[in-house]
Amino acid sequence: EAGVAQSPRYKIIEKRQSVAFWCNPISGHATLYWYQQILGQGPKLLIQFQNNGVVDDSQLPKDRFSAERLKGVDSTLKIQPAKLEDSAVYLCASSNTGGGGELFFGEGSRLTVL
Amino acid sequence: QQQVKQSPQSLIVQKGGISIINCAYENTAFDYFPWYQQFPGKGPALLIAIRPDVSEKKEGRFTISFNKSAKQFSLHIMDSQPGDSATYFCAAMTSGTYKYIFGTGTRLKVLA
Repeated sequence: EAGVAQSPRYKIIEKRQSVAFWCNPISGHATLYWYQQILGQGPKLLIQFQNNGVVDDSQLPKDRFSAERLKGVDSTLKIQPAKLEDSAVYLCASSNTGGGGELFFGEGSRLTVL
Repeated sequence: QQQVKQSPQSLIVQKGGISIINCAYENTAFDYFPWYQQFPGKGPALLIAIRPDVSEKKEGRFTISFNKSAKQFSLHIMDSQPGDSATYFCAAMTSGTYKYIFGTGTRLKVLA
């Protein structure tokens, strides 16, 4: 079974530029999550999708972050314009809510904002 | 109330020793408590999980102890090995929401 795929793995941008991250969850997983992990901290939920609907985006900085999950499969997280404090690893995870809800994480996309 | 407090922040253990990491929560609606292991450059991976209907769960060298009245749970790694050196996160979730709250992480180093 293929795992959660994320790209790009690394991205370096200047502040005020834009960036987009892509995630392909495990096939059949209805729930998809984007987490932000700042160095030395635990993952912080940015947005949770159930199929292609948003379940929770209460901690998503909506003035600069946006996310979509078209057709209930792939998802894209965009940051525009980026700030220095957005430097972090962006983790995508998926779960099969009918199978107990275990989270499966991708390897993450490391963003450095200069 | 949505926080999960994790300690210690870092831990150094000799090979063969016992590693103990603790977590505490406030929200009594949480009913699923997993531990995740993360190696550098990798995403977290599920290690072991427990539900509050049992006080202990053991899988190999890894044991979760759960104290419902104290709202605390802990991870014990017996016979710790250098390969266990990683960051460990506790988490909590309420069934039906599938929304996970993570602790701040414990960086474990096992000395050879």
